[in-house]
Amino acid sequence: DTGVSQNPRHKITKRGQNVTFRCDPISEHNRLYWYRQTLGQGPEFLTYFQNEAQLEKSRLLSDRFSAERPKGSFSTLEIQRTEQGDSAMYLCASRPWGGASTDTQYFGPGTRLTVL
Amino acid sequence: GQQLNQSPQSMFIQEGEDVSMNCTSSSIFNTWLWYKQDPGEGPVLLIALYKAGELTSNGRLTAQFGITRKDSFLNISASIPSDVGIYFCAGRNYGGSQGNLIFGKGTKLSVKP
Repeated sequence: DTGVSQNPRHKITKRGQNVTFRCDPISEHNRLYWYRQTLGQGPEFLTYFQNEAQLEKSRLLSDRFSAERPKGSFSTLEIQRTEQGDSAMYLCASRPWGGASTDTQYFGPGTRLTVL
Repeated sequence: GQQLNQSPQSMFIQEGEDVSMNCTSSSIFNTWLWYKQDPGEGPVLLIALYKAGELTSNGRLTAQFGITRKDSFLNISASIPSDVGIYFCAGRNYGGSQGNLIFGKGTKLSVKP
């Protein structure tokens, strides 16, 4: 069990640049989630994939954000024209298909984004 | 976005003391989860609860799913220095779309040796 992995762990960028993060979920998990966490807050939901289909996006996911999961395995989250307000920890989580007992989501270590 | 009410916000305790924290919601939840997060890391699952009234232990940790389905608590017995961190409650509310979790703001635990 290798767990959820995320790359890079840290990213520093200048305002206006584009950034892309990658998430590799636990291999048998078909559901993948992206969350954003700012200082002093709990994680907030951004978007959700079941296999390769993006089934839900939150209002937090502005037009500058796009997420993909082309083969139903790893996922990428891209932020275009970054703004200082995008600075946060971006967390990926995965869970297996199934009933209520599989509501449990397993998180990766996160990508810390700093926009200068 | 919607968040759970988690209290206390922070705790400073002596090593060996017991700790209790709780989480409340205005709506019914189907699942309650408790996570611990260390600085610069992602949340790590501690305990998962799936039924109202359920009481589950994981070592020195015990958590309960409230009967009303609107609250949950986490107890840590005989705290040790490595218990330091931020504890988050999270849940999926009844009718919540696709299982995305709603989180509390966390309880920051500090342990004095």
